[in-house]
Amino acid sequence: DTAVSQTPKYLVTQMGNDKSIKCEQNLGHDTMYWYKQDSKKFLKIMFSYNNKELIINETVPNRFSPKSPDKAHLNLHINSLELGDSAVYFCASSGIAGGPETQYFGPGTRLLVL
Amino acid sequence: RKEVEQDPGPFNVPEGATVAFNCTYSNSASQSFFWYRQDCRKEPKLLMSVYSSGNEDGRFTAQLNRASQYISLLIRDSKLSDSATYLCAVNIIGLGGKLIFGQGTELSVKP
Repeated sequence: DTAVSQTPKYLVTQMGNDKSIKCEQNLGHDTMYWYKQDSKKFLKIMFSYNNKELIINETVPNRFSPKSPDKAHLNLHINSLELGDSAVYFCASSGIAGGPETQYFGPGTRLLVL
Repeated sequence: RKEVEQDPGPFNVPEGATVAFNCTYSNSASQSFFWYRQDCRKEPKLLMSVYSSGNEDGRFTAQLNRASQYISLLIRDSKLSDSATYLCAVNIIGLGGKLIFGQGTELSVKP
């Protein structure tokens, strides 16, 4: 069974479009995250939610808006896509907010903005 | 200075070699430490947590030196299947569980 799943796996779109990425975890975890991995393979956190509440919001443009309908889901909506948004976006989840619990990553969504 | 730094490599080693990766972190409030493995075009997967006393899992040994603020990963008798990028990650107290990753060290094990 897939622990952390993301859709779509690949996303190719034009500049200026709006797109969403969905994430679901079936691990019963309380905390979910969005990370961005750029072309230089640097993996950086964007957002973190605990029980549907935003607890980490890094310096990310307002065009990125996470939404957590319940603690098993964390979606990422991106408005007015730019070339620099091209990257791999990973969702992750962990069991305890603020704690050192292992984070489990989804398979990633490869976004290419043309 | 980056919060977490690793030698980007690549490290090219023959099968059976012992290879060591180092990772330094700048925030002394760092609480927990991890090594993740990332295969090409895949998600990071936890390899080991790193404890103050050091810990070993088969061919892999992780060490933490809080005084010098670095962690290390030693791989003995390397296998072809060990080829991957190894990411160190640090969790800092009070930052809501976010992991700060190093840029990763690429390892290529050759026959």
